[in-house]
Amino acid sequence: EAQVTQNPRYLITVTGKKLTVTCSQNMNHEYMSWYRQDPGLGLRQIYYSMNVEVTDKGDVPEGYKVSRKEKRNFPLILESPSPNQTSLYFCASTLWGASPSEQYFGPGTRLTVT
Amino acid sequence: SQQGEEDPQALSIQEGENATMNCSYKTSINNLQWYRQNSGRGLVHLILIRSNEREKHSGRLRVTLDTSKKSSSLLITASRAADTASYFCATAGYSGAGSYQLTFGKGTKLSVIP
Repeated sequence: EAQVTQNPRYLITVTGKKLTVTCSQNMNHEYMSWYRQDPGLGLRQIYYSMNVEVTDKGDVPEGYKVSRKEKRNFPLILESPSPNQTSLYFCASTLWGASPSEQYFGPGTRLTVT
Repeated sequence: SQQGEEDPQALSIQEGENATMNCSYKTSINNLQWYRQNSGRGLVHLILIRSNEREKHSGRLRVTLDTSKKSSSLLITASRAADTASYFCATAGYSGAGSYQLTFGKGTKLSVIP
């Protein structure tokens, strides 16, 4: 089954404790991205990657890191989480042709930073 | 950011009625996509319309695109209670250096009353 998986689905952590949210897709997609969703603000892109070893900042990259060492995986790293990073996070992937096609979304990771 | 803006923010209709949601954006795009999100879950792709297309249909969905007005509309005909969800438009635009970015609006929350 074609899918994007994220782990963990729920995470409660404390300020400053480094964490990683994993994302994996089994569709051989080139393009992957991370979004955060906050009430009243919609989805905002954090980082995206057009292929292995190619990453770029989205609209809200501060406080986040990503890496793309393999095509299928695109982990999101919070080196020193803060309460304003409490949010619902989505990973997504898509084929990369002449332009972005439909994106496949993971189920989401609900992060709470206290 | 070339974020799309949906209008209205919320819409409540009776089952069987048609629902229309609008999306406006600011800069030129390659394509525009509509997604649906059931409460707290991942987004699901509904339909993609390219910048050189004016109208597209998929089942009970009809999407129009007016690039001169930088706007799009999503029409859901004969709505059902199961259509209750949030709907997002996403614009795919060139962000430089051979890269595209997909930017989401804040969404329209649709409630279909049985």
